Amino acid sequence: EPEVTQTPSHQVTQMGQEVILRCVPISNHLYFYWYRQILGQKVEFLVSFYNNEISEKSEIFDDQFSVERPDGSNFTLKIRSTKLEDSAMYFCASSDPTAPNTEAFFGQGTRLTVV
Amino acid sequence: DAKTTQPPSMDCAEGRAANLPCNHSTISGNEYVYWYRQIHSQGPQYIIHGLKNNETNEMASLIITEDRKSSTLILPHATLRDTAVYYCIVRGINSGGYQKVTFGIGTKLQVIP
Repeated sequence: EPEVTQTPSHQVTQMGQEVILRCVPISNHLYFYWYRQILGQKVEFLVSFYNNEISEKSEIFDDQFSVERPDGSNFTLKIRSTKLEDSAMYFCASSDPTAPNTEAFFGQGTRLTVV
Repeated sequence: DAKTTQPPSMDCAEGRAANLPCNHSTISGNEYVYWYRQIHSQGPQYIIHGLKNNETNEMASLIITEDRKSSTLILPHATLRDTAVYYCIVRGINSGGYQKVTFGIGTKLQVIP
């Protein structure tokens, strides 16, 4: 079964450093998403991406965040200058634009720890 | 999207049916009911969705009341691996495949041996 893959599974970074989280969405999907989940809290939407541009973003997704599709397979989330409160699980997801009212597929997540 | 209400937690004996309720009294006619689950900090996993008819797949059944104000997700024979947080989500019809998911707190299902 096709799946969304995320790397790394766990990343530790120092406060103030830049971090890039990587995702490989399902190959024929064209909608891509990032979510985060702070420990013990609910899963929160960050941003969606389609046709090489952001289609929707939440209040969380401020100027410290950016997304990119650098090539035909990867989708990345960059945090420019990490803060302690950025520590969370980050989930990538994708969906198929030719299949309306179907589901989003989620990766297994990257656990980001900012120290 | 309509708001949903779920019990915060439930227990179920292994091998028995798990019935997870969800209230969505403000649902509108073009909104679907979706269920996802999240097993211990893994990525959320789609389970099933429906509009007004009952639905069944290899994972679960979804029973939607006639007035569509509530629904029940049924795991027919719960196993320990079904221990997870289950999210009931109501979403409008999305043409073009846009599938943003807005998660609530969900129901934490504990399957007991």
